[in-house]
Amino acid sequence: DTEVTQTPKHLVMGMTNKKSLKCEQHMGHRAMYWYKQKAKKPPELMFVYSYEKLSINESVPSRFSPECPNSSLLNLHLHALQPEDSALYLCASSQVAGTYTDTQYFGPGTRLTVL
Amino acid sequence: DQQVKQNSPSLSVQEGRISILNCDYTNSMFDYFLWYKKYPAEGPTFLISISSIKDKNEDGRFTVFLNKSAKHLSLHIVPSQPGDSAVYFCAASGRTGNQFYFGTGTSLTVIP
Repeated sequence: DTEVTQTPKHLVMGMTNKKSLKCEQHMGHRAMYWYKQKAKKPPELMFVYSYEKLSINESVPSRFSPECPNSSLLNLHLHALQPEDSALYLCASSQVAGTYTDTQYFGPGTRLTVL
Repeated sequence: DQQVKQNSPSLSVQEGRISILNCDYTNSMFDYFLWYKKYPAEGPTFLISISSIKDKNEDGRFTVFLNKSAKHLSLHIVPSQPGDSAVYFCAASGRTGNQFYFGTGTSLTVIP
């Protein structure tokens, strides 16, 4: 089973709202990732968690706040977003972070629209 | 600065023929390469990978070729099927970490 699930599938929020994106995997993977993808662009890495600890933060604005409550779950808390943050947010997991031959498996994404 | 490039944004192929998708990279430290397939409104799905110690890897209808001296890889799909119509991303990673660098994608359309 190589499934990564993400909820919600779609999210529309105002610039003053607070919302959260959720990601879950049950493959026993110890690395989890958040990516942002704009239309016709490749996915851009935002955060990497390794063994539930944040290991990479790609200079993401503080209005995005990741959280890894346990090895299976990854959240992305959103607050005071801008319309330009509208994008597809992808979660991925892999067996172990830092191993360059490790394959990342992606969830279906959350389509976020900020009004 | 785009370290992984897919110079063809789109490709159309007749059903049953070969589809060849190309990818070029600039960073000689990349040692592991992957191809992902993405349908609209879905996340990328892993297809096939190759490490730099190989120049070819096959999995069913999919074959990836790596030319390290040219910093070029390609994905061959034979025979192409209408269900292969999707956007294909190549990705690369290097020994310095677990960050993947994605290309900009090639939209493949297989015509029945």
